Formats: sequence, C-alpha cells, structure tokens
Amino acid sequence: ELKVEQNPLFLSMQEGKNYTIYCNYSTTSDRLYWYRQDPGKSLESLFVLLSNGAVKQEGRLMASLDTKARLSTLHITAAVHDLSATYFCAAILGGTSYGKLTFGQGTILTVHP
Amino acid sequence: DVKVTQSSRYLVKRTGEKVFLECVQDMDHENMFWYRQDPGLGLRLIYFSYDVKMKEKGDIPEGYSVSREKKERFSLILESASTNQTSMYLCASSLLGGSYNSPLHFGNGTRLTVT
Repeated sequence: ELKVEQNPLFLSMQEGKNYTIYCNYSTTSDRLYWYRQDPGKSLESLFVLLSNGAVKQEGRLMASLDTKARLSTLHITAAVHDLSATYFCAAILGGTSYGKLTFGQGTILTVHP
Repeated sequence: DVKVTQSSRYLVKRTGEKVFLECVQDMDHENMFWYRQDPGLGLRLIYFSYDVKMKEKGDIPEGYSVSREKKERFSLILESASTNQTSMYLCASSLLGGSYNSPLHFGNGTRLTVT
C-alpha cells in the first residue's frame, strides 16, 4: 500500500523568506505530483516529476524528486502573500497506468507581510 | 482547457437519504475519479473508473457506489447518507496512460452536509 506523508502540515512564513515542504512516500512510485488549492477552490496542478533527479521550477516554486530516498521537496523562494494556499503532493503506485493518485495530508501555507 | 463540472457546489441532505453527486468532463478522458477531502487527511480515493461501465474500488469505498454509463459522466451515489459522510467531494479526470505526465484535472468540488 502506498502512503504519502507531508511535513510540515502548517507553515507560517514571512514574506521574503525561504522554506521547504517535504513529501515522503512509502513504496516505489512512477510519478510525483504537486498541486495547489486556494480556499474554496479546486486543486490546480503545479508540477509533474517523472524521474529521479527531476527538478522543475515555476516562479518562486521549485520541486525536486529523489526516488532513492522516496522524497520530493517543494522549495519556496522569497515568499510572497500570493503563495498562501494549501499544497498537496501525490504519488502513483509503481507499475500502474490508471492515474490513481495517493495524496499527502496537505500543507497549509500562510505568508505574512 | 479541460473542464470538469460537478453539478452541485453545496448540498444538504438528511441521514438515510440516497444522494447522487454528478460529474461531467469535456475532454474525452478515459479515467475518472471520486475523492473526498477532509481536513488533516488530504484527499482519499473512493472509486475510480477507467472505461464506461468499468469501476474499481479506491481506499474508502464503504457506503458509496458509482455509475459510469457514458464516457463523460461519472456519478457517485451514497445509498443511505450518514453524518460521517459530511465532506468535500472532488471529481477528477485524466487520460489513460497515453500522456505519461498527464495530471488529474479536478472539478470545483461539492460540499455535502448530512444532518
């Protein structure tokens, strides 16, 4: 059974600071996804990481994947208020093709002035 | 853009009622999913379907059933609603394997309250 755990679950940051959200998964996974959810809204896809060592960046967010450590990170650089949201990572059990994602608990990020 | 539409944004139902949650996608996706989202638990998969009339149980199928009579439509059914089914329900769709990096596309969610 695939389990996905994120930490921290709550993150309060000051604008301009850097921080990292960690995502650990328990068994072999083919792909790792990061999603963002704004309050009252649905989930928006941020990144898809397909292989060991994959790194993707979009603005102040950078995601990486280490399949040997079964770890993905979402790094926030020079946080701004607009990044306040809940961030989810999700993994797919290795060898499956139906796109059945297992999600972490979510990290609620609040960026303060 | 892919559009996944859930028929209701908010629903309030009584214990014991039969509840139907409807989801329609417009991108000819083979895969469709129903998740429920609860604080501190993330999203948990209830059922998914990879083809018309095909369905597979997810991690928490108890108390739910699904129907997929047409490719674009996937319905979640609560046979006899209970208060512990009060939650946010999210429908999603994706391509079947063909696009290896295809993420799930989510609807806006249905917030169900069972009283």
